[in-house]
Amino acid sequence: DSGVTQTPKHLITATGQRVTLRCSPRSGDLSVYWYQQSLDQGLQFLIQYYNGEERAKGNILERFSAQQFPDLHSELNLSSLELGDSALYFCASSGGTLAEYEQYFGPGTRLTVT
Amino acid sequence: AQTVTQSQPEMSVQEAETVTLSCTYDTSESDYYLFWYKQPPSRQMILVIRQEAYKQQNATENRFSVNFQKAAKSFSLKISDSQLGDAAMYFCAYGGSRLTFGEGTQLTVNP
Repeated sequence: DSGVTQTPKHLITATGQRVTLRCSPRSGDLSVYWYQQSLDQGLQFLIQYYNGEERAKGNILERFSAQQFPDLHSELNLSSLELGDSALYFCASSGGTLAEYEQYFGPGTRLTVT
Repeated sequence: AQTVTQSQPEMSVQEAETVTLSCTYDTSESDYYLFWYKQPPSRQMILVIRQEAYKQQNATENRFSVNFQKAAKSFSLKISDSQLGDAAMYFCAYGGSRLTFGEGTQLTVNP
């Protein structure tokens, strides 16, 4: 158990809909990262938040947005969903002083868009 | 942009034997981190080992060790005394904040 929690574990929704994925980082970690794992694109970095502020942005679509709240949990919002958005979405956290760049992953949320 | 290449889509090893997974990367940075992650059938991403680029000494974690060749931009993972539980997809990753992953190597451990 990495200490990172993600909810829900599975999500099935229809095209055009909007969903919210939630992540709670390990205790004490200030950074939260979101990744997408799909069959055709592999594992891709989406976005990073550090202590509530956006720190880095990767291949995140404009239909997607994220935020990190004062209690450090993070949410990834996916809107106008398309079939191609079906993937495993991971949240990771880091922030220990000796391992600032060691990212620990949550179990993932499997999103299926039908 | 940084790229990570794992040229072995699949590897197999006999239980108790040693196997080496290859990884090369491309970067213009001088200070960075490299990681190996394991993804078993549960799909959980598990950190196996970390290497800081400024350290010349190769990292070791129990049965897992790396061969880090900075000039060659090579970062291989050696698994000694392979166990059935080592069977998984292994990803090489480059990064500091954002991680760039390779395509993965599917490791099969034969009893």
